[in-house]
Amino acid sequence: GQQLNQSPQSMFIQEGEDVSMNCTSSSIFNTWLWYKQDPGEGPVLLIALYKAGELTSNGRLTAQFGITRKDSFLNISASIPSDVGIYFCAGQLTRTSGSRLTFGEGTQLTVNP
Amino acid sequence: NAGVTQTPKFQVLKTGQSMTLQCAQDMNHEYMSWYRQDPGMGLRLIHYSVGAGITDQGEVPNGYNVSRSTTEDFPLRLLSAAPSQTSVYFCASSYSVGTGYREKLFFGSGTQLSVL
Repeated sequence: GQQLNQSPQSMFIQEGEDVSMNCTSSSIFNTWLWYKQDPGEGPVLLIALYKAGELTSNGRLTAQFGITRKDSFLNISASIPSDVGIYFCAGQLTRTSGSRLTFGEGTQLTVNP
Repeated sequence: NAGVTQTPKFQVLKTGQSMTLQCAQDMNHEYMSWYRQDPGMGLRLIHYSVGAGITDQGEVPNGYNVSRSTTEDFPLRLLSAAPSQTSVYFCASSYSVGTGYREKLFFGSGTQLSVL
């Protein structure tokens, strides 16, 4: 089946630093999404991408849909302590009935004040 | 504004016991699903439903049953718990308008299950 490789697995940064993480797939996706999971909670959708090359921002977060359709990137600028959590990428082949999301393994982000 | 509500928050079972994880949503979402989260493995789909009376298997369905008698509720049943089912379980729902929007999942806060 489809697999997503997310990297890095974990990051330890200082407050104020920028963060970059990425997700690669062995096959093409037509939708890429980024979710964030706070400790003890369920994931929350951050950004959804629908076109190859698309660059979308949500506050200090920026995500890109790779041109090859096999990768996606998430950047966080000027990190703050509340950015702590697990960030998941997810891909979907089609938006039709029966299509499923494939999730990456997650990137655990720790921000030191 | 409750969203997706999961109960219980924590549960400990002995091998062979059965139990039901409850999930309810108040957003009138057609699509509901169950995921399990294990360290280093992301979220894996167990079962999903595109509407009342319709369910289908996901990536890891073995050992779990589901039913969808109403739009609001989507319980997950473990028939005979095994240590391999120790995990955090998330219920999620989304719109299902025509062919789109299923990817915008709303997750519950999870159930931490330990099977001894």
